Amino acid sequence: GENVEQHPSTLSVQEGDSAVIKCTYSDSASNYFPWYKQELGKGPQLIIDIRSNVGEKKDQRIAVTLNKTAKHFSLHITETQPEDSAVYFCAAILFSGGYQKVTFGTGTKLQVIP
Amino acid sequence: GAGVSQSPSNKVTEKGKDVELRCDPISGHTALYWYRQSLGQGLEFLIYFQGNSAPDKSGLPSDRFSAERTGGSVSTLTIQRTQQEDSAVYLCASSSPSRDEQYFGPGTRLTVT
Repeated sequence: GENVEQHPSTLSVQEGDSAVIKCTYSDSASNYFPWYKQELGKGPQLIIDIRSNVGEKKDQRIAVTLNKTAKHFSLHITETQPEDSAVYFCAAILFSGGYQKVTFGTGTKLQVIP
Repeated sequence: GAGVSQSPSNKVTEKGKDVELRCDPISGHTALYWYRQSLGQGLEFLIYFQGNSAPDKSGLPSDRFSAERTGGSVSTLTIQRTQQEDSAVYLCASSSPSRDEQYFGPGTRLTVT
């Protein structure tokens, strides 16, 4: 089955600096890679996603890159703000003919220091 | 519109008792997922419903866990004879037929004493 590794498990950055979180996956058939942000006491919220036919996607201060050959994808947050502090999860999902298989990473706790 | 809702938000139960957790997905979403999140851990997939297809139960950790989805909408996750290791946050998510992203509910925090 799919295995998703996420690093680092914790990350502290100064406000205004960039943060990068990396995930690797094992099943080359996975074709959808979302990133979720989870604040304390809340459910995860989708912040950005990328599909296997795209190498990079950007949405304001957030970007995701995908390297299918190496089977890894990364979340990049630029100009970090204190409100970016949360736990971030990556996921690798296989969609195929109405069937899907979801595997989440173990999460990264990001702390942005004012 | 309304998001995914879950009830109860918190549940404390004694070891050995059965519990039922409820999930109301977003209207029109055909896919529904249950996950378990232990303290400080990632999301562990439990079960997936897609329309009228047979559910994918491959993530259920034991036969004490079961789930059903009535009328293609509301879902109930049942844990029988609860154990202390069942203590976790149980998250539900749904997605629409036309989009891949999952929308999560706030979760139910289950504590087994």
